[in-house]
Formats: sequence, structure tokens, C-alpha cells
Amino acid sequence: SSELTQDPAVSVALGQTVRITCQGDSLRSYYASWYQQKPGQAPVLVIYGKNNRPSGIPDRFSGSSSGNTASLTITGAQAEDEADYYCNSRDSSGNHPVFGGGTKLTVL
Amino acid sequence: QVQLQESGPGLVKPSQTLSLTCTVSGGSISSGSYYWSWIRQPAGKGLEWIGRIYTSGSTNYNPSLKSRVTISVDTSKNQFSLKLSSVTAADTAVYYCARRVVRGVTNWFDPWGQGTLVTVSS
Repeated sequence: SSELTQDPAVSVALGQTVRITCQGDSLRSYYASWYQQKPGQAPVLVIYGKNNRPSGIPDRFSGSSSGNTASLTITGAQAEDEADYYCNSRDSSGNHPVFGGGTKLTVL
Repeated sequence: QVQLQESGPGLVKPSQTLSLTCTVSGGSISSGSYYWSWIRQPAGKGLEWIGRIYTSGSTNYNPSLKSRVTISVDTSKNQFSLKLSSVTAADTAVYYCARRVVRGVTNWFDPWGQGTLVTVSS
């Protein structure tokens, strides 16, 4: 099992707001980064650091963190946001990167 | 804009060594402070970090794979490579190369290669 825990599946109605969470002890010390992966494609970075979006990522994506939980929020979810989302940070030793198990987002 | 591209055999026999290369274009693999990484994903499963080589040439591997993994760099070709020995069917996965950036308490992987499927089968 991963040192970062994500809910396996989350759903959201079109245009509504959804929060995807990632829990782990290392998140008390390190920020998470978040990746979107659509079927048959490589992961794409959507959020890193405190709340930074790479160029080209819509501003409906945002990140936050509190205690041992990092969150990815999509405000006004679109059909094209349906994908798997993975969080990434470090393991409990701080020496190696680790990924969460992933959350499958369904947009209804 | 930096781009990464994996290459290598798509089929490897059990007990043999899996070898993949990642070619970096749009920038020098030797410049900056980056961790050139390998990540894999079995079909229908999550992402697993395999290991990385730093710009300086130092390496770090996933403890669960450490005994079988070697990552090296060829700066003259702007490439880095993965070797995974004694493979089994459990090593069948899509293998990605990616650039990892570390800035204090923040780290991220960007960009990623498109991925290459490696199947372990006789």
C-alpha cells in the first residue's frame, strides 16, 4: 500500500466543485504535486507547491494543504476533467518520491 | 521546451534484463539541477517511482527495486537509461521517463515522456 492515501473514486456533477484529497504523514513536511492522467496518455502536472499551476492548466484547478492532507480542487468541473488524478510527495523517510494510489474522477 | 522520449524493446523474456533509454530534447541533460527519473505503471494500476539520476550523476532507487535497478546517463547523447534485471511478469508495465524538480519542500515531475509498454513474456 502507498504511503499516500487517495479515495479510489469520486464523482461530480458538471459545473460543480469537487475536492480530491491525499493523506500521508510526509504531507506535514512537504507539499504535494498533482497529476491528471487520461486513458492511454502520460500523466500531466496540474498543481505543484503551495498552489502553483503550470502554464496551460486552467485556473479552475487549485491546490491546498492542511496537516497531513493535501487537496486538489476543481471549481466548475468540465467534462474534459474526467480522468485519474494522482498526488505525489515524499515517503516517510523524506528520501524518495512516492505516489498516491490515484482517484478516478467521473463528471456526471 | 524540454521533451522526453522513451525507447527500447517492447518485449523482454523472463529472467532477462529490461533496457530502456530516454532521450531529452530542447535542453541539455547536464544543465540545471534536475532529477532524471523513471516511473512505471502496470495496466490498470497506479504509478510507481523506480529511481533517478541527478545532474551530477548520483543515483537513488526505490528500495523495493534497488537490487535490480541501474540508471545511467550519457551526456554526449543527452540520454539517460534504465536497466532492470531478472524481470518477471510483474514487471510488465508502461514505463515513463520524467524530469523531477526539487525546490525545498516542493517537488514535481514535469515534463513526462509519452511512455513505452514493456511486456515480460516468453
